[in-house]
Amino acid sequence: ILNVEQSPQSLHVQEGDSTNFTCSFPSSNFYALHWYRWETAKSPEALFVMTLNGDEKKKGRISATLNTKEGYSYLYIKGSQPEDSATYLCALAGYGGSQGNLIFGKGTKLSVKP
Amino acid sequence: GAVVSQHPSWVICKSGTSVKIECRSLDFQATTMFWYRQFPKQSLMLMATSNEGSKATYEQGVEKDKFLINHASLTLSTLTVTSAHPEDSSFYICSPRREIYEQYFGPGTRLTVT
Repeated sequence: ILNVEQSPQSLHVQEGDSTNFTCSFPSSNFYALHWYRWETAKSPEALFVMTLNGDEKKKGRISATLNTKEGYSYLYIKGSQPEDSATYLCALAGYGGSQGNLIFGKGTKLSVKP
Repeated sequence: GAVVSQHPSWVICKSGTSVKIECRSLDFQATTMFWYRQFPKQSLMLMATSNEGSKATYEQGVEKDKFLINHASLTLSTLTVTSAHPEDSSFYICSPRREIYEQYFGPGTRLTVT
């Protein structure tokens, strides 16, 4: 079973701080890495899908990078705002050539204090 | 686009009773539906995969006679937890897939069995 690790488990920052968290995985044998943002009582919301080593994606103040050779992806949030408070999940798709299923990490819970 | 509803959002039931969870993709058709559950401090784990009109495929350790999945149409899938027990208390979330590697999520159902 592939183990997708996310760190830290939780993070508390002040409004305006920039922050980043990590998703690490032991194998590059997958099709895509997904980042989701999950607010309490809502559906997980897709942020990014990355497929290639060196991929960088950006959406507003949030960006992500993928390094399949060293087995990690970073998610960055610049100038955190209270509305960024959520759990951020990463997931691998297509592990081992399978065409279904996402293998999730446990998530990083971000709390941004005003 | 890509709105997914899931009902109920939370349910408390007595041990031995059955609970039905309904998942609808409101603005797209989903040929494949994934059902996940999440225990406290754990990651989302796949329970079963179903394709419209076909029997569901269950992951190892998930009892197919206990967790009945019906995927009768491209916009509706149900998960019935039969003869629920306290150890079935968990967070259940559906994930309809629109295209390969394009998955969306419902907001989830918190099940508590007393």
